[in-house]
Amino acid sequence: GIQVEQSPPDLILQEGANSTLRCNFSDSVNNLQWFHQNPWGQLINLFYIPSGTKQNGRLSATTVATERYSLLYISSSQTTDSGVYFCAVVAGYSTLTFGKGTMLLVSP
Amino acid sequence: NAGVTQTPKFQVLKTGQSMTLQCAQDMNHNSMYWYRQDPGMGLRLIYYSASEGTTDKGEVPNGYNVSRLNKREFSLRLESAAPSQTSVYFCATKTGLNTEAFFGQGTRLTVV
Repeated sequence: GIQVEQSPPDLILQEGANSTLRCNFSDSVNNLQWFHQNPWGQLINLFYIPSGTKQNGRLSATTVATERYSLLYISSSQTTDSGVYFCAVVAGYSTLTFGKGTMLLVSP
Repeated sequence: NAGVTQTPKFQVLKTGQSMTLQCAQDMNHNSMYWYRQDPGMGLRLIYYSASEGTTDKGEVPNGYNVSRLNKREFSLRLESAAPSQTSVYFCATKTGLNTEAFFGQGTRLTVV
C-alpha cells in the first residue's frame, strides 16, 4: 500500500513564528487532506487539497502531485495552533491512509 | 446538523467483555469508516463500508466486527475485549472516493 511520511515529527515554536510541515507519499494520489488534532483529541479538517494551493487565514497548503508531496504553512503561529497535524491520502481505489503526524507545540 | 456522532465518548471494559461502539451521520454520505489511533501510530483503518450493504476489512481488523445498519449508522463490535484494544476509536464518513472525509469526536476505550 501507499506510504505516507510526515516531517518533522516534532516542532516547538515561539508564538509569532512561521513553520512549514511536509508530507511525502510514495504513489500517485486522488485525494489529500490535512487535519489538525487539537489537545482535546478532536480531528479538525484543514484542507482538502489533491493538487494546487489553498489558503485559509494564517494557514495555507500546497500539493505538488507530480512530485508526490504536500506542504502545510502556518504563519504567525498562536498557542491555539498546538496539537498534531496529520496528512492523509487516497491512492487509486484505496481508503484514506494517514501519516504518523507532526506534533506542534507553540509556546507563549 | 450534528455531522458525525459517536457514542459513547469514554468506556472502560474488563478483559473478555464485549461492547459496541456506535456511529451515526446526518451528512447523507455513502461511505463510513472505523479507525483506531494509538500513540505514535497515526490512524489505522479497522473496517469500512463503501456503501450501504457492504463492509470490508482494513489494515487492522482482527478482534472486531462491524454492521452497516442503514445509510446513517455504522457500528463496531468488540466480542471479547483485550488490553491491546485500548485505543481511541474514530468514525469517519465521506460521500465518495475522491471527496473530503469528516470525523466524529472519538471514543476513548480502555481495556483492563
